[in-house]
Amino acid sequence: DGGITQSPKYLFRKEGQNVTLSCEQNLNHDAMYWYRQDPGQGLRLIYYSQIVNDFQKGDIAEGYSVSREKKESFPLTVTSAQKNPTAFYLCASSIVPGPGGYGYTFGSGTRLTVV
Amino acid sequence: AQSVSQHNHHVILSEAASLELGCNYSYGGTVNLFWYVQYPGQHLQLLLKYFSGDPLVKGIKGFEAEFIKSKFSFNLRKPSVQWSDTAEYFCAVRSSGNTGKLIFGQGTTLQVKP
Repeated sequence: DGGITQSPKYLFRKEGQNVTLSCEQNLNHDAMYWYRQDPGQGLRLIYYSQIVNDFQKGDIAEGYSVSREKKESFPLTVTSAQKNPTAFYLCASSIVPGPGGYGYTFGSGTRLTVV
Repeated sequence: AQSVSQHNHHVILSEAASLELGCNYSYGGTVNLFWYVQYPGQHLQLLLKYFSGDPLVKGIKGFEAEFIKSKFSFNLRKPSVQWSDTAEYFCAVRSSGNTGKLIFGQGTTLQVKP
């Protein structure tokens, strides 16, 4: 079955630590995205990547970093600079950017809690 | 900057009631429009989407949405809700540019009472 796998499902982090959230897709999608979901705020875009070895900041990139060394993988690092990292993180992918109206396929998410 | 606004944050309905969730966006160009649903404990799933053509779009599970370009709106409707429709609903907009970014609304939590 094709899809997006996010791991871990739950993650606990101590203040001051960096943590990396995994996102892998076997859909052969070009574009991948990271969103943060908070109650009452919907989904906000952190970073996105349209092609391997290239990525752009979204609306709330501060305190986060990403890499896109392989088409299938788009890991997100939540650094100690992120002031309020406790949230639900969603990874998504789509076929191609550009006109065409393709929607996203979403992963099941990672819930990060800072303790 | 593009934005999406969902007017209702929390809606409570009884079974068999009709549903309409509002969605307005701010972008003057060509857009693609989406409604996603997130059932408790599950992935975000695509309910329906609009690219072009007939502005009345049919989706899964009896949902439909109407694109009204003059009002920058894409409201979601269902004639008769069921308890199983309890979920969070997100409207999203994608511009016709080549970034592929989806901009999401704040979400509407729908609670259907049996």
